[in-house]
Amino acid sequence: DAKTTQPNSMESNEEEPVHLPCNHSTISGTDYIHWYRQLPSQGPEYVIHGLTSNVNNRMASLAIAEDRKSSTLILHRATLRDAAVYYCILRVFPGGGTSYGKLTFGQGTILTVHP
Amino acid sequence: NAGVTQTPKFRILKIGQSMTLQCTQDMNHNYMYWYRQDPGMGLKLIYYSVGAGITDKGEVPNGYNVSRSTTEDFPLRLELAAPSQTSVYFCASSYGPAMETQYFGPGTRLLVL
Repeated sequence: DAKTTQPNSMESNEEEPVHLPCNHSTISGTDYIHWYRQLPSQGPEYVIHGLTSNVNNRMASLAIAEDRKSSTLILHRATLRDAAVYYCILRVFPGGGTSYGKLTFGQGTILTVHP
Repeated sequence: NAGVTQTPKFRILKIGQSMTLQCTQDMNHNYMYWYRQDPGMGLKLIYYSVGAGITDKGEVPNGYNVSRSTTEDFPLRLELAAPSQTSVYFCASSYGPAMETQYFGPGTRLLVL
């Protein structure tokens, strides 16, 4: 499986934008980039995913490099509730051999948001 | 719509005891998963199921068993608890495989002494 590399921790101030980087230099053409986050004492929750084009939803934006070897999760205005561990995960499209939707979690980035 | 529910929230077991962690989802999802999360680490897949009556091993299945008799329920069984099984256990479900969003329960914290 292709692996991802994320910084161990990042800090932000409330209401400022946050850019969470993820490197995935061995990504293959069939790997989708997914982001999940885990709030303290809770299970992970889906944030966003993409393949090649930048993606936006109500929670965040995902910017994907042209060569797909890196991506950035963007929180446009961080709130205290965004303090969590953010996981960048590569998921293989079923045709690639993984049919059951395996999510491989690394250690993620711990985001601290200051008031 | 409760989503994914897990019971109990917390349990202390003695070495060698057995227990069942319960997981129920009300979203009519076909796929269900069990993960464990050790302190400071990411989640690891224990078992998964692609539908009632069908289960398969994930990355770390040793010491665990599962069954899937209904679409809604996916219990995880620990037969002989060991200290190495001290962890937080998360159940998740998704409508389909691969790109479908997985929805996680709140977790069960297990301490084996």
